[in-house]
Amino acid sequence: EADIYQTPRYLVIGTGKKITLECSQTMGHDKMYWYQQDPGMELHLIHYSYGVNSTEKGDLSSESTVSRIRTEHFPLTLESARPSHTSQYLCASSGTGRGTEAFFGQGTRLTVV
Amino acid sequence: GNSVTQMEGPVTLSEEAFLTINCTYTATGYPSLFWYVQYPGEGLQLLLKATKADDKGSNKGFEATYRKETTSFHLEKGSVQVSDSAVYFCALTPTGANNLFFGTGTRLTVIP
Repeated sequence: EADIYQTPRYLVIGTGKKITLECSQTMGHDKMYWYQQDPGMELHLIHYSYGVNSTEKGDLSSESTVSRIRTEHFPLTLESARPSHTSQYLCASSGTGRGTEAFFGQGTRLTVV
Repeated sequence: GNSVTQMEGPVTLSEEAFLTINCTYTATGYPSLFWYVQYPGEGLQLLLKATKADDKGSNKGFEATYRKETTSFHLEKGSVQVSDSAVYFCALTPTGANNLFFGTGTRLTVIP
């Protein structure tokens, strides 16, 4: 069983609101990731972290920001939500070493109206 | 650079049919290769993996063999079930890195 949790599972919010998507893992993994999944299923890496106080932007430009103050916690924040932010957001974590798999949370489906 | 090219979907099969989902990759060195599965409304979970050439990953009746000569990692199952209906993602991590590079995903629907 994967021990990585995302909250909320579903969120409907109005334009201009600030939101934070939570992601926590209990596996002690240093590496954590945020992916945005479009309706066509494709996954786009938007942020990653290799440890506490380390964050990097991914391949897809995103207006969201992340923080990594504790190993187990990797929240994603949107300061001012817009309809274009409507998407599924997936958090993942992995250990180190060759062939190490990533564990995914169940995702947050965000709808901005 | 690193990339994964995956067979376009959607794929619809009858129960007990044979499944192949093609996956080829571009990477330097010897990447690790993965198949992930996403059931409706869920996150991704690892289905199988292989970390070196000629390795065969297997799980739940699914198999894939790491073919370096053809840079491929095709997913196969001899007899699919309705419960296998999901989206399947091929992925790689390059040598010395942990970032995952995903294919575009293939939606499989199995009908009774």
